[in-house]
Amino acid sequence: EAQVTQNPRYLITVTGKKLTVTCSQNMNHEYMSWYRQDPGLGLRQIYYSMNVEVTDKGDVPEGYKVSRKEKRNFPLILESPSPNQTSLYFCASSLGATGGVHNSPLHFGNGTRLTVT
Amino acid sequence: GNSVTQMEGPVTLSEEAFLTINCTYTATGYPSLFWYVQYPGEGLQLLLKATKADDKGSNKGFEATYRKETTSFHLEKGSVQVSDSAVYFCALSDIETTDSWGKLQFGAGTQVVVTP
Repeated sequence: EAQVTQNPRYLITVTGKKLTVTCSQNMNHEYMSWYRQDPGLGLRQIYYSMNVEVTDKGDVPEGYKVSRKEKRNFPLILESPSPNQTSLYFCASSLGATGGVHNSPLHFGNGTRLTVT
Repeated sequence: GNSVTQMEGPVTLSEEAFLTINCTYTATGYPSLFWYVQYPGEGLQLLLKATKADDKGSNKGFEATYRKETTSFHLEKGSVQVSDSAVYFCALSDIETTDSWGKLQFGAGTQVVVTP
């Protein structure tokens, strides 16, 4: 089954304790992206990747890191989490980078709810 | 910069009622427009899209027409069902420059609740 898999689904941690949220897709997609969803703000893009070893900042990249060493995986790293990073996080992927993300739909994972105390 | 504005929810209506969710946008170039839907506990999924002015996207009984003159992409459905209860997001992607190719701008989302 074609899917985007995020882990964990729920995570509670403390300020300053490094964490990684994993994201994997099995559709051979070139494009991958991370979003955070907050009430009243919709989805805001954190980072995206047009292909392996190519990553770019989205609208809210501060406090996050990503890497794209292989096509299927795009982990999100919080080196020193803070309470303002408490949010619902979504990973998404799309088939092609040619012509941009508008040419092919985004496939989303089911989300990771992160709480930082 | 680019932005998407949606009507605030929640929108509560009865089964078989007519649904409209307003969406307007600002963009410097010629964006493609999308509606995504998020069912409870799930990620978003594409509902429909339109890539140029006057295009109409449609899927599952939902429709939206790309209106460049009013910079709008309102979502409509003639007769909603309880299963349509979800959060609906309007989004745009601007291809004016290669810098914007990877960016999809979402609205805040509109929660729709359909009661039997």
